[in-house]
Amino acid sequence: DTEVTQTPKHLVMGMTNKKSLKCEQHMGHRAMYWYKQKAKKPPELMFVYSYEKLSINESVPSRFSPECPNSSLLNLHLHALQPEDSALYLCASSQGSPGGYTFGSGTRLTVV
Amino acid sequence: GQQVMQIPQYQHVQEGEDFTTYCNSSTTLSNIQWYKQRPGGHPVFLIQLVKSGEVKKQKRLTFQFGEAKKNSSLHITATQTTDVGTYFCAVFHGSSNTGKLIFGQGTTLQVKP
Repeated sequence: DTEVTQTPKHLVMGMTNKKSLKCEQHMGHRAMYWYKQKAKKPPELMFVYSYEKLSINESVPSRFSPECPNSSLLNLHLHALQPEDSALYLCASSQGSPGGYTFGSGTRLTVV
Repeated sequence: GQQVMQIPQYQHVQEGEDFTTYCNSSTTLSNIQWYKQRPGGHPVFLIQLVKSGEVKKQKRLTFQFGEAKKNSSLHITATQTTDVGTYFCAVFHGSSNTGKLIFGQGTTLQVKP
């Protein structure tokens, strides 16, 4: 399995809702990442998990809460988002050292 | 952290013409990676360069890392409509499993058939 699987592919949520984005990989990668990408912009790093521990938080607002339940799964919990948080949320994984990242197909989030 | 400037931002070419995108840094880079993102898609890893003066080829794509490790380029020979997309360079900095990959602004390629 050489894929990173993200669900859901699309999500519309209100500003008072709580939702979660899910990411799964079975490549044995020990580093996993959340990126946010706005239209016509490069992906921006949000969080890095290494060996299931949060190693980097790029000053992301607390309304985004990451979780790594095990080495294959990464979640992003969303609460009280703003319309400007609408974007493509990409999960990625890598073996480290560094090497290329494998990205999932993303969750396209719209906050209304 | 290490920042890279990528140019041009957009490029429109006729099918069959060549295309080049450049990444430049004011500091020496330890490595550089290239990704392609198709419209509506996600970034896909193409290659990583780590050695000074390195040149790697993938069919019609040629990747170069400058001698001073401050710049890199991606050249596509005889573009095809399947080459359409945004090409990003990216720099990894930090330690093995706790570092981070930072992307350049990207070059969006349009190919007219």
